[in-house]
Amino acid sequence: EAGVAQSPRYKIIEKRQSVAFWCNPISGHATLYWYQQILGQGPKLLIQFQNNGVVDDSQLPKDRFSAERLKGVDSTLKIQPAKLEDSAVYLCASSPGLMKETQYFGPGTRLLVL
Amino acid sequence: QKEVEQDPGPLSVPEGAIVSLNCTYSNSAFQYFMWYRQYSRKGPELLMYTYSSGNKEDGRFTAQVDKSSKYISLFIRDSQPSDSATYLCAISNTGNQFYFGTGTSLTVIP
Repeated sequence: EAGVAQSPRYKIIEKRQSVAFWCNPISGHATLYWYQQILGQGPKLLIQFQNNGVVDDSQLPKDRFSAERLKGVDSTLKIQPAKLEDSAVYLCASSPGLMKETQYFGPGTRLLVL
Repeated sequence: QKEVEQDPGPLSVPEGAIVSLNCTYSNSAFQYFMWYRQYSRKGPELLMYTYSSGNKEDGRFTAQVDKSSKYISLFIRDSQPSDSATYLCAISNTGNQFYFGTGTSLTVIP
């Protein structure tokens, strides 16, 4: 079974630029999550999708972050404009149902904002 | 106060040692307790998943939950260099709240 795929693996941008990350979940998984993991911290949930609907986006900084999962499969996370404090690893995860206890993580996209 | 606290370490042990990793949490409503392992430049992977109090064993790994003390532990027996990673605890409840600890960095020295 293929795992969660993410691209790019690394990205370096300057502050105020925009950036987008892509995630392809495990086939058949209805729920998709985006997390932000700052160095030395645990992952923080940014947004959770159930199929193509948003379940939880309470910790997403909506003034600069946006995410979509239009066809209920792949998802993109965008940051516009980026700030220095956005430097982090952005992890995508998926699960068959709504239980986060059964989520599988991708390798992450490492973002550095200069 | 954070929902879950975890000593960041780093922790360095010789091969074969017993490792004890711990987390404390603040709200007794949390019922599900997880331990994840995260290798460098990889995503977290689920190691152990327990519900409510008690012990759960899987090979060299034992997860322990003490709900009265709001304390969770992961024990690794006969530690191996391949166990070198960051270990994250996580807690959740039926209300879809889910929180990770900050992670403990472990190095097992051959």
